[in-house]
Amino acid sequence: QVQLQESGPGLVKPSETLSLTCTVSGGAISTYYWALIRQSPGKGLEWIGYIYNGGTVTYNYSLASRVTISVDTSKNQFSLKLNSVVAADTAVYYCARGRSSGGLGYFDYWGQGLLVTVSS
Amino acid sequence: DIQMTQSPSSLSASVGDRVTITCRASQSVSEHLNWYQHRSGEAPKLLIYGSSRLKNGVPSRFSGSGSGTEFTLTISSLQVEDFATYYCQQSDSTPLTFGPGTKVDIK
Repeated sequence: QVQLQESGPGLVKPSETLSLTCTVSGGAISTYYWALIRQSPGKGLEWIGYIYNGGTVTYNYSLASRVTISVDTSKNQFSLKLNSVVAADTAVYYCARGRSSGGLGYFDYWGQGLLVTVSS
Repeated sequence: DIQMTQSPSSLSASVGDRVTITCRASQSVSEHLNWYQHRSGEAPKLLIYGSSRLKNGVPSRFSGSGSGTEFTLTISSLQVEDFATYYCQQSDSTPLTFGPGTKVDIK
């Protein structure tokens, strides 16, 4: 059974960098898409981006100037960095595994989510 | 971006009821439409992918249909564990986008 676990600080100051790590167990990270998705309080789900093929990334253009997703296959982990955060970046951040059946990805396993609050 | 809408935004139903949720896309997504169940405090779960393909292990009371811009998720006989929020997601083009959700609660 594939499991994903988010880890990182729960509080980040405005203008600083949000860093989050997703640890994958029960499956190799060298295949599939590995995605970050967030949900701001009272709002819907927003796809941040994903990494696949060992390092190819696709980002949501709305966040692309501030986002970096990377992978460490030796640790079976992938990571998110979101810089210059503002209060609107406060959200529950989810890691997810993506697959494709002809489209650009659906998410068949998710982590429990990590609440990250941006506040001074 | 492809905008996703869902209706209703919430509904109240009883155990055993048949429930139908509609998802509409602002442009055609072919059959690249997926459905998720999210119970508060838990990880979201994939139910349906490719419009109508049931994920292994998901109960057969869940079904999906549609193509192009209009899709439905049907729960044939609602169970206690089905009270949750349901989201659709298009995977036809980036940015991948989700619907705003439909909350199903107990009548």
